[in-house]
Amino acid sequence: DTGVSQDPRHKITKRGQNVTFRCDPISEHNRLYWYRQTLGQGPEFLTYFQNEAQLEKSRLLSDRFSAERPKGSFSTLEIQRTEQGDSAMYLCASSLRTAQETQYFGPGTRLLVL
Amino acid sequence: EDQVTQSPEALRLQEGESSSLNCSYTVSGLRGLFWYRQDPGKGPEFLFTLYSAGEEKEKERLKATLTKKESFLHITAPKPEDSATYLCAVQAGYSSASKIIFGSGTRLSIRP
Repeated sequence: DTGVSQDPRHKITKRGQNVTFRCDPISEHNRLYWYRQTLGQGPEFLTYFQNEAQLEKSRLLSDRFSAERPKGSFSTLEIQRTEQGDSAMYLCASSLRTAQETQYFGPGTRLLVL
Repeated sequence: EDQVTQSPEALRLQEGESSSLNCSYTVSGLRGLFWYRQDPGKGPEFLFTLYSAGEEKEKERLKATLTKKESFLHITAPKPEDSATYLCAVQAGYSSASKIIFGSGTRLSIRP
């Protein structure tokens, strides 16, 4: 499968614990995006990378959230001191930097904070 | 502020009953309008990109159209496997490095 992959697909954690998610983009794509989706809503932008540089962060991305993309390949999203409000689907998307850019999404990681 | 509104929130159709989903948008500098399909528990699946008013694209039973203020996703003679949430999104701004803003989606259910 040459699409975007995410790991794990599901994560249950207790409030206050740290969690880390991984995203592997489509191999030739140089842009990588993270979104969060709650039930009944569309995805909301969190942050994006062009190669290894993090170029934009949403106000939704509190200090407890950090994302990295070392070497411009896979990316990780870490949430520290999780809260119940962090429960959501975390989606990763990748794209190729062109004038007509299309983002392709992975299957998502569903997080449940107890 | 850039905004995307989809209607209706939910739509139930009989198999073979054609209909349209609406996406209205308010953005400064539309770079592209996207339609995605999302099945429960999965990530959005790309369907179409539209770039300018008057543009139309088709794929099987789906046809997307674009005006200066809204987009329609027409579904012709739908089948139960077309049941899903359909998401509309826009990429706005004058830089190619622009995030996508999504609507809340239309949940489509097709009864056999």
